[in-house]
Amino acid sequence: GENVEQHPSTLSVQEGDSAVIKCTYSDSASNYFPWYKQELGKRPQLIIDIRSNVGEKKDQRIAVTLNKTAKHFSLHITETQPEDSAVYFCAASIGGNNDMRFGAGTRLTVKP
Amino acid sequence: NAGVTQTPKFQVLKTGQSMTLQCAQDMNHNSMYWYRQDPGMGLRLIYYSASEGTTDKGEVPNGYNVSRLNKREFSLRLESAAPSQTSVYFCASNSGHSNTEAFFGQGTRLTVV
Repeated sequence: GENVEQHPSTLSVQEGDSAVIKCTYSDSASNYFPWYKQELGKRPQLIIDIRSNVGEKKDQRIAVTLNKTAKHFSLHITETQPEDSAVYFCAASIGGNNDMRFGAGTRLTVKP
Repeated sequence: NAGVTQTPKFQVLKTGQSMTLQCAQDMNHNSMYWYRQDPGMGLRLIYYSASEGTTDKGEVPNGYNVSRLNKREFSLRLESAAPSQTSVYFCASNSGHSNTEAFFGQGTRLTVV
């Protein structure tokens, strides 16, 4: 079936450093790629998303890049802060319907 | 607006018992989803409903049934709970138009003993 692979599963960085999380997807019809942040014991919340007609999107310290040919997309967090510590999930829409598949998640730890 | 509301927040079941997880949204969204979250496995789609009156299987539908009661409500039923169904369950909704943000409920932590 269609799936989304996410790497790494855990990532530890020093405060101020950059963090990069990468995802690949298998469905060539996927056209929407959101990223969610989940703090401990909380619900996932959208932090940024990108659509297939765009190669890059930036929102302050967060950016997402998309390579449709290679079927991969990445989340970039610059100038990391301790409050960025959380689990991050990538996701991809499946086909033309409303099915959304998630990666397994990356636990990011930002050390002060 | 309350957003997406799930009940209950916690539940312990014995193997073989049945229960229904309730989900309601007040954002006039067309699409609703049920996911389960297990350590190291992300969010796996159980069932979704693209619009009122329709439901479709996701990645892991076995052992579950759903009902889209009306536009606001989407319930998930476990007919005969098994320990493998111990998980955190999230309901989510979005407008149903392509490429839109999904809003999640606060989750239900279910333990089957």
